[in-house]
Amino acid sequence: EVQLLESGGGLVQPGGSLRLSCAASGFTFSSYAMSWVRQAPGKGLEWVSAVSGSGGTTFYADSVKGRFTISRDTSKNTLFLQMNSLRADDTAVYYCAKQTRGYLESAFGIWGQGTMVTVSS
Amino acid sequence: SYELTQPPSVSVSPGQTASIPCSGDKLGDKYVCWYHQKPGQSPVLVIYQDSKRPSGIPERFSGSNSGNTATLTISGTQAMDEADYFCQAWDSSTANWVFGGGTKLAVL
Repeated sequence: EVQLLESGGGLVQPGGSLRLSCAASGFTFSSYAMSWVRQAPGKGLEWVSAVSGSGGTTFYADSVKGRFTISRDTSKNTLFLQMNSLRADDTAVYYCAKQTRGYLESAFGIWGQGTMVTVSS
Repeated sequence: SYELTQPPSVSVSPGQTASIPCSGDKLGDKYVCWYHQKPGQSPVLVIYQDSKRPSGIPERFSGSNSGNTATLTISGTQAMDEADYFCQAWDSSTANWVFGGGTKLAVL
């Protein structure tokens, strides 16, 4: 069974940093692109970042470019999102998603349960 | 930046057909995905590449995409289909995924 388990969320002050993790199981991790998507309380979905199956290609939303870094560790079957210079408008539930193919243009087939990030003083 | 527009809400009677539109400039030139999300749950993929259904998604869900509008159609809508529905497309010009604002489907 494919499973994605996010962790690392919490309360952080503006300007602070957090590192989210997404532990993957039940599939060949390196064969699939992965993404992070966030959802602010009561709002819609916002794509944040994606990484190809090989890890060689990454893309970011303009709203996080230069502040967030996506990475993956194939040996640990884990996806990461390093978030720096956090702002109040980064407050959201962060989901990791397994895409249906190794390339970044593929759909988001499986989603994790999400981890809450709250940026507040 | 590329934008996808959805109506905030759509209502349908049980057993009837619900249509949820998603509009964007030359959207028919892109592949569209659809997700539903029930309260307190994670999103679920229901349609990809405009009209394909993942395994486990009921046949009553279908999709189309032409011109500037993609449409998710739910035939024989059931109470369990009440959810928020989001369309999504890949904007190759910016290498960004874009989501529509979401449509709340009410089965009344």
